[in-house]
Amino acid sequence: AQTVTQSQPEMSVQEAETVTLSCTYDTSENNYYLFWYKQPPSRQMILVIRQEAYKQQNATENRFSVNFQKAAKSFSLKISDSQLGDTAMYFCAFMILYGQNFVFGPGTRLSVLP
Amino acid sequence: GAGVSQTPSNKVTEKGKYVELRCDPISGHTALYWYRQSLGQGPEFLIYFQGTGAADDSGLPNDRFFAVRPEGSVSTLKIQRTERGDSAVYLCASSRGTSSDTDTQYFGPGTRLTVL
Repeated sequence: AQTVTQSQPEMSVQEAETVTLSCTYDTSENNYYLFWYKQPPSRQMILVIRQEAYKQQNATENRFSVNFQKAAKSFSLKISDSQLGDTAMYFCAFMILYGQNFVFGPGTRLSVLP
Repeated sequence: GAGVSQTPSNKVTEKGKYVELRCDPISGHTALYWYRQSLGQGPEFLIYFQGTGAADDSGLPNDRFFAVRPEGSVSTLKIQRTERGDSAVYLCASSRGTSSDTDTQYFGPGTRLTVL
């Protein structure tokens, strides 16, 4: 079974600053995907970024980038130039290759302060 | 529709009652998923449909929970004899259902169920 851990229940960052959210996972699988989802108060889960485990290059998506360390089973999310709209719960998630369901971590509540 | 929709947005019921939660997936999406998100936790997988059939129902916690998708589009999650521990946000997601590794799941806004 896979598990996902997010050790930071809450974090805050000043607007325009950079923040890093941590995620570690446990699996015996070699091929899988990792994701970061954002959940604002509207409750709708929004995909932020995804990483294929077989790719060594870290994924980037505009202000969002990841630091994927496969050997350490670590998958952190860096948000640059934080904006007020980034305030939300952030969930790290795991899915095996060609799998159909996610395993989510417990989430980190991020507050961007003006 | 433009996105996944779920009704009702909020549902309050009494212990022991029966409830139905509805999910309308994105048009053309053959795969549909239900997740349960308890307070302060991440979503947990319940069941996955490919078309009309439940391809994986391993996440359903017990036989009080059941889901259907009779025409391969709209799905209903049914909970019998509700318990206070069933209180949670129930999320639905849909995807194209291809075998491609880029098959992205799109989530609805969820139904918040409160069992008194």
